[in-house]
Amino acid sequence: DQQVKQNSPSLSVQEGRISILNCDYTNSMFDYFLWYKKYPAEGPTFLISISSIKDKNEDGRFTVFLNKSAKHLSLHIVPSQPGDSAVYFCAASGGGGADGLTFGKGTHLIIQP
Amino acid sequence: NAGVTQTPKFRVLKTGQSMTLLCAQDMNHEYMYWYRQDPGMGLRLIHYSVGEGTTAKGEVPDGYNVSRLKKQNFLLGLESAAPSQTSVYFCASSYVGAEAKNIQYFGAGTRLSVL
Repeated sequence: DQQVKQNSPSLSVQEGRISILNCDYTNSMFDYFLWYKKYPAEGPTFLISISSIKDKNEDGRFTVFLNKSAKHLSLHIVPSQPGDSAVYFCAASGGGGADGLTFGKGTHLIIQP
Repeated sequence: NAGVTQTPKFRVLKTGQSMTLLCAQDMNHEYMYWYRQDPGMGLRLIHYSVGEGTTAKGEVPDGYNVSRLKKQNFLLGLESAAPSQTSVYFCASSYVGAEAKNIQYFGAGTRLSVL
């Protein structure tokens, strides 16, 4: 049973436009959410996070929005750049289980020139 | 500053063979983790450690053992490899703290094939 779901395996966006990546979760005990970025043959790297007590966190071109009532979060990248092409993983912690992260399956973002 | 280093990068095993994956971090992190990633899947937690000499089970621990004899090293062992353990293995580490522990630093991964 997947607790963190990324329903779009891939997303293609034109350079300069906004990229919106979505994530849904089912475990209401999750209290911290993160986005990781992964290039081929590399490990994931931390991008941005948000606590469950907030609804928005911004860091440069990246903004994460959290809607707790809908159990939904999204990552906005604006403007999108070619270097943003990567797989983006949504992750959550505090689900009442082990001290690690629960990951979604990832969304492959492709930035078109 | 190397961060998190995993060895080896690639390995092919025959069913029933054993091996140890090594993870080393130079950031003085307390927490260390082992994840596996299968095609089309997210990362899943195998085992983790909250400090030297301690280990705990994650979501998919069966068939694996771990040891944390030194703070900077976290070893993942496969005693009798099975084809179902073909995967990419990632090690990660983090600081202590309710929020800090979630910001994990990952190694580049070990690609393991079990024939």
